[in-house]
Amino acid sequence: KNEVEQSPQNLTAQEGEFITINCSYSVGISALHWLQQHPGGGIVSLFMLSSGKKKHGRLIATINIQEKHSSLHITASHPRDSAVYICAASNDYKLSFGAGTTVTVRA
Amino acid sequence: ETGVTQSPTHLIKTRGQQVTLRCSSQSGHNTVSWYQQALGQGPQFIFQYYREEENGRGNFPPRFSGLQFPNYSSELNVNALELDDSALYLCASQNFGNSGRAGRYEQYFGPGTRLTVT
Repeated sequence: KNEVEQSPQNLTAQEGEFITINCSYSVGISALHWLQQHPGGGIVSLFMLSSGKKKHGRLIATINIQEKHSSLHITASHPRDSAVYICAASNDYKLSFGAGTTVTVRA
Repeated sequence: ETGVTQSPTHLIKTRGQQVTLRCSSQSGHNTVSWYQQALGQGPQFIFQYYREEENGRGNFPPRFSGLQFPNYSSELNVNALELDDSALYLCASQNFGNSGRAGRYEQYFGPGTRLTVT
């Protein structure tokens, strides 16, 4: 069993819809990261959080340390949000990644 | 743009050959991590270098080796290439300060090197 599990694996939404991606982890962590990967490979860090909630524009990330669960929400989704979203758990020195959620937003 | 660069962008090698991939860290970052991402999967941690010393290693065989230089740039070397080594190789840099413990520090990723082994 992978240390970090994401769901769903794939997600298709209509422009404007609210999107939620879930992440569960089984290891102790220092922080939980949400990353975005576009076709071609480059990874961009969206959030790093160890408690509570963070918001950046239309993106919101939450974490429940007791339940070892995090969610990434995209409000008012747009076709440019189409990408792979990856959660990763960090311990002292490394990141353990989920397999990613492929999000497609249709106009 | 994260300030982390990787070269080359793409590479095709034959099974059994050796390859060297390069990563230039963001200015001020003293730590670099390398990851392997197979098609359709999440990245897997290969190893990390902090101030020119290996600081941790994932479940990869010894034919995967690395170096970090005084300017904190880094190399990933893979010997005796196998078909399964075909993947996107990502490096990420961060600044640990003096503790050597990375958990709460954000990582900045390079664009990756896509390696194809035939």
